[in-house]
Amino acid sequence: GAGVSQTPSNKVTEKGKYVELRCDPISGHTALYWYRQSLGQGPEFLIYFQGTGAADDSGLPNDRFFAVRPEGSVSTLKIQRTERGDSAVYLCASSPHGTDTQYFGPGTRLTVL
Amino acid sequence: AQSVTQPDIHITVSEGASLELRCNYSYGATPYLFWYVQSPGQGLQLLLKYFSGDTLVQGIKGFEAEFKRSQSSFNLRKPSVHWSDAAEYFCAVGASDTGNQFYFGTGTSLTVIP
Repeated sequence: GAGVSQTPSNKVTEKGKYVELRCDPISGHTALYWYRQSLGQGPEFLIYFQGTGAADDSGLPNDRFFAVRPEGSVSTLKIQRTERGDSAVYLCASSPHGTDTQYFGPGTRLTVL
Repeated sequence: AQSVTQPDIHITVSEGASLELRCNYSYGATPYLFWYVQSPGQGLQLLLKYFSGDTLVQGIKGFEAEFKRSQSSFNLRKPSVHWSDAAEYFCAVGASDTGNQFYFGTGTSLTVIP
């Protein structure tokens, strides 16, 4: 079946702009996660959804970052007033339910100039 | 707090040689443990996982890992490496009482020489 998909695969933006990154989880998976992977590092947790609600957003670095999952399926990660330090690969993962294996998408590479 | 350490940043092995990638974790209870592989431009692919039971787990592509509670380790092994195994390998720990987020190590980059 189809895996986790993320769009766009690459996004180049200018400092101060607003961006949206989309994640389509595996059908039927109730849990959805966002991670950020900087060069040479492992993925770092940003936020976790169980259904439509954000069950844990403790990894969001500041209030410029926000994520939604209005219908419990597709999720959008939103970054306002982007900074050069936001440049990274943003990974999305989904899981059948909370305590299970996470399946990752290919990521969106964000470059802030 | 939970954490994962992968002591080896980069490893080079000859094709056909055996491989062991080290992973140490810090967590108070029994964690869920995972190994993922990431090839250039690709997403993270699950190699294997440990939740409970038999401490030696088998994964895809001929990989296995052993959970050793006394050493807080979950090392990844393969008896004979293939050139296609060259990639970045990540160990991760998860637990239900941490919001189910995964904590990843910084990764080990594997180079395979002919």
